[in-house]
Amino acid sequence: GENVEQHPSTLSVQEGDSAVIKCTYSDSASNYFPWYKQELGKRPQLIIDIRSNVGEKKDQRIAVTLNKTAKHFSLHITETQPEDSAVYFCAATQGAQKLVFGQGTRLTINP
Amino acid sequence: EADIYQTPRYLVIGTGKKITLECSQTMGHDKMYWYQQDPGMELHLIHYSYGVNSTEKGDLSSESTVSRIRTEHFPLTLESARPSHTSQYLCASEGAGDEQYFGPGTRLTVT
Repeated sequence: GENVEQHPSTLSVQEGDSAVIKCTYSDSASNYFPWYKQELGKRPQLIIDIRSNVGEKKDQRIAVTLNKTAKHFSLHITETQPEDSAVYFCAATQGAQKLVFGQGTRLTINP
Repeated sequence: EADIYQTPRYLVIGTGKKITLECSQTMGHDKMYWYQQDPGMELHLIHYSYGVNSTEKGDLSSESTVSRIRTEHFPLTLESARPSHTSQYLCASEGAGDEQYFGPGTRLTVT
């Protein structure tokens, strides 16, 4: 079955700098890769996703890149702001299979 | 409004009690999931369902059961609560595009 590894487990950046979180997956048949953001005391919420027929997707300050050959995908946050502080989870699935989540990254934005 | 609901939001019970955590969604989704999560930590899949009368065990299903008699309802039952069950329980449903929507969670404390 699918296995997703996420790094780093914690990340601290200065406000205004960029943050990058990386995930690797094991199942080459996986074709859907979402990212979730979980603020303190809140539920996880989908912030961006990408499918295997696309190499990059961008939504304002966040972007996701996918390298199918290397089986890894990354979340990029530019011009970080204090409200970006949260735990971020990557995930992967092959349609009919259940979503498999990474271990999470605690991102802290320092003012 | 289409959403996913969980009750109770907070629960404190004694060891050995039987409890049922409720989850309902009004989005008409077939796939539903239960996760256990300590605050800000990894999401552990407990049970999932792909539709009415379909239930499967996840990676962490010990001492709990689920049922799926109606599409919108997916309750989780702990037959005999233990202090090790103290955690947050998140219910989720999955849309047609593979994206998961999470409920607000039930924070359970077993004394």
